[in-house]
Amino acid sequence: QVQLVQSGAEVKKPGSSVKVSCKASGGTFNNCAITWVRQAPGQGLEWMGGIIPIFDTANYAQRFQGRVTITADKSTSTVYMQLGSLRSEDTAVYYCARSDGFNDYDTFDIWGQGTMVTVSS
Amino acid sequence: SYGLTQPPSVSVSPGQTASISCSGDKVGDKYTCWYQQKSGQSPVLVMYQDTKRPSGIPERFSGSNSGNTATLTISGTQAMDEADYYCQAWDSSAVVFGGGTKLTVL
Repeated sequence: QVQLVQSGAEVKKPGSSVKVSCKASGGTFNNCAITWVRQAPGQGLEWMGGIIPIFDTANYAQRFQGRVTITADKSTSTVYMQLGSLRSEDTAVYYCARSDGFNDYDTFDIWGQGTMVTVSS
Repeated sequence: SYGLTQPPSVSVSPGQTASISCSGDKVGDKYTCWYQQKSGQSPVLVMYQDTKRPSGIPERFSGSNSGNTATLTISGTQAMDEADYYCQAWDSSAVVFGGGTKLTVL
């Protein structure tokens, strides 16, 4: 079964950007979607957006529009999430998760291990 | 925007039944799913399409969804079930999570 392996923890300055990767291990991203969800310390899950790699179509949460970019490299089965104009409130664990698509019956059945992003001056 | 509301906490004694609610406008017209998240770990899918259990999830987990409330029920709750639980649905091509419920097994 495919596993999602994310890149390591990051510490960033306010105003900078961060790029987190999510690689499929033991499989590929064929016929699936990859979504990014974040969780601030002690808080709940927050959807950021996702991508269907084979179509290169991305779907973003309205509150992150213009600040987040999700891309896919099909040759390496890796999806990237770049978040810009970082502020302290972006300090969170960022997860990638797999689903069959972006339909209302799709669910996130495989999750990455999470990547801690700390924004601090 | 669409919202899902969960109680912040639910307590249950070992062996008893725990019910966690997820309220939203006409949520019964949507598919809901549930994730379990233990401390320091990634979320795990425990229920999808309202009532379906993924492979490997114990039969004591069940789900329902009707009207304005979806419910995750854990029968014969065990200490290992202590975790945060999140409901999730789609609305207009956007993913919506409930605020999460901390289940304590006393």
